[in-house]
Amino acid sequence: EVQLVESGGGLVKPGGSLRLSCAASGFIFSSYTLNWVRQAPGKGLEWVSSISSGSTYIYYADSVKGRFTISRDNAKNSLYLQMNSLRVEDTAVYYCARDLVAGIPFDYWGQGTLVTVSS
Amino acid sequence: AIQMTQSPSSLSASVGDRVTITCRASQGIRNALGWYQQKPGKAPNLLIYAASSLQSGVPSRFSGSGSGTDFTLTISGLHPEDFATYYCLQDYNYPRTFGPGTKVDIK
Repeated sequence: EVQLVESGGGLVKPGGSLRLSCAASGFIFSSYTLNWVRQAPGKGLEWVSSISSGSTYIYYADSVKGRFTISRDNAKNSLYLQMNSLRVEDTAVYYCARDLVAGIPFDYWGQGTLVTVSS
Repeated sequence: AIQMTQSPSSLSASVGDRVTITCRASQGIRNALGWYQQKPGKAPNLLIYAASSLQSGVPSRFSGSGSGTDFTLTISGLHPEDFATYYCLQDYNYPRTFGPGTKVDIK
């Protein structure tokens, strides 16, 4: 069974940093593109970042570019999101999600982890 | 970035109703369009990919159509568990962009 489990969320002050993790199981982690998607309270979904299977291709939303860094450790079946210079508007539930193949995005999602940026 | 719009933003319907949700892209995206269902407090669930392909395990009352800039999601006979918010997503290029969502609630 495919499982994605996020962790690392919490309360942080504006300007602070946080590192999210996503532990994967039930599939060959190193073969899949992975993503972070977020959802601010009461709002819609926003794609944040994607990383290809071998970390060759990395993409970011303009809203986080230069502040967030996506990475993965295929040996540990883990995905990460390093978030620096956090802003109040980064407050959201952060989901990790898998692409099945090109053209089938976000076929599995984690349960999400809440990041709250507040003074 | 490609902008995605959805209409309506919300609708009220009854069990058994046929429901259609529209998604429009600001430029052509071929068939690179997915539909997701999200219930409160839960992660989204993939329903349709490549505009019209039904994801494994999704009931056949869900269908998708369209190509280029205009797409539709149809639920042919609402079930009680279908009351949720629906989002479209373009994965034609980066940045991937979602539509703002359509909330389907009980009339």
